[in-house]
Amino acid sequence: DIQMTQSPSTLSASVGDRVTITCRASQSISRWLAWYQQKPGKAPKLLIYKASTLESGVPSRFSGSGSGTEFTLTISSLQPDDFATYYCQQCYSPWTFGQGTNVEIK
Amino acid sequence: EVQLVESGGGLVQPGGSLSLRLSCAASGFTFSSYWMHWVRQAPGKGLLWVSRINSDGSRTDYADSVKGRFTISRDNAKNTLYLQMNSLRAEDTAVYFCARDYREMALDYWGQGTLVTVSS
Repeated sequence: DIQMTQSPSTLSASVGDRVTITCRASQSISRWLAWYQQKPGKAPKLLIYKASTLESGVPSRFSGSGSGTEFTLTISSLQPDDFATYYCQQCYSPWTFGQGTNVEIK
Repeated sequence: EVQLVESGGGLVQPGGSLSLRLSCAASGFTFSSYWMHWVRQAPGKGLLWVSRINSDGSRTDYADSVKGRFTISRDNAKNTLYLQMNSLRAEDTAVYFCARDYREMALDYWGQGTLVTVSS
């Protein structure tokens, strides 16, 4: 199975900071990567699919890039509502998630 | 409005029946046109993809950790997705989410989840 490794596991940041989360695949997945945001007690929310396509309704401060084995999720200016856990997911075969990155208040 | 509502979770105790069937009632979209998935999350842990089924139920895939024990199915006439879970283990304890597949590229709608606890 394809393993997904996110870094860092925890990220401490302040409102207004630029934040970058990295996701690495154990083998090439082309651009078959999605990003999700999850808040405690809630279902995950889709942010980005196909590595860089922003889901409808998601703020433009979120962006994704990468292909092959290395991908990034960037939040250009962190807002109070963005403190949450973020997961990458490969949709190549079979589907697997990264272990998550908790973005916490510094 | 797309809605996915899971049900069927509960406590399963060793020594009793180690089986449970989860249901996910879908509304607000043409259920029979979409692949559907189950994803689980153990308490305090990350997301784990469990299984998926294509639109007409003819193709299924499973994570290795549940293969041979769990069966995904659907009833398009009832707009309902199922997960039959047999031989449950303590490590299957988790919130189970159903989710809609978006063009095999992502999961765009999720239910609120149903908790399965396997414990004495």
